[in-house]
Amino acid sequence: DAKTTQPTSMDCAEGRAANLPCNHSTISGNEYVYWYRQIHSQGPQYIIHGLKNNETNEMASLIITEDRKSSTLILPHATLRDTAVYYCIVSNTGTASKLTFGTGTRLQVTL
Amino acid sequence: KAGVTQTPRYLIKTRGQQVTLSCSPISGHRSVSWYQQTPGQGLQFLFEYFSETQRNKGNFPGRFSGRQFSNSRSEMNVSTLELGDSALYLCASSAGPATDTQYFGPGTRLTVL
Repeated sequence: DAKTTQPTSMDCAEGRAANLPCNHSTISGNEYVYWYRQIHSQGPQYIIHGLKNNETNEMASLIITEDRKSSTLILPHATLRDTAVYYCIVSNTGTASKLTFGTGTRLQVTL
Repeated sequence: KAGVTQTPRYLIKTRGQQVTLSCSPISGHRSVSWYQQTPGQGLQFLFEYFSETQRNKGNFPGRFSGRQFSNSRSEMNVSTLELGDSALYLCASSAGPATDTQYFGPGTRLTVL
């Protein structure tokens, strides 16, 4: 599975959009980009995933660059409850269910 | 649908003992994966089960084992516990093997004294 690089931490004001970047320059054609988040001491929560096209659901939007070497998770209106560690994972779900978690980005949403 | 459930939520054991953790996947999900999370190593994959068969295994010693039952429920066992086994053990379920999004349970916090 391709390796990902994320900033260690980010801050965001409540009500503003949180844009979390992820670099995955070695991604291969059949690998998806997944985003999970983990609120302190809880199990990781699935947010969104995509292959090539931008995706949106009730939680977030995922923007993947045309060359697929990077992506951005957007939380449109961050709240205090969005404070968590966000993991960007690249996975070839066609061959294995194993998810390789990096260190993620610790997002702190403040008043 | 109910989410992934794990029991017990908290557990305290002493070195040398063994422990069994249980995971019930989301209804209809047939694949179960286990992960260990520690402050030093982060989230690491342990193993994956589908249709009662282990399909994939992480780099953990043989003291860590698991199984899956015909109703897709899964258990993992750690024998001869060591202090370093203290961790949050997470179970994730997906509809099928290697084909679908994994959904995680709340985890079992194991403390080894």
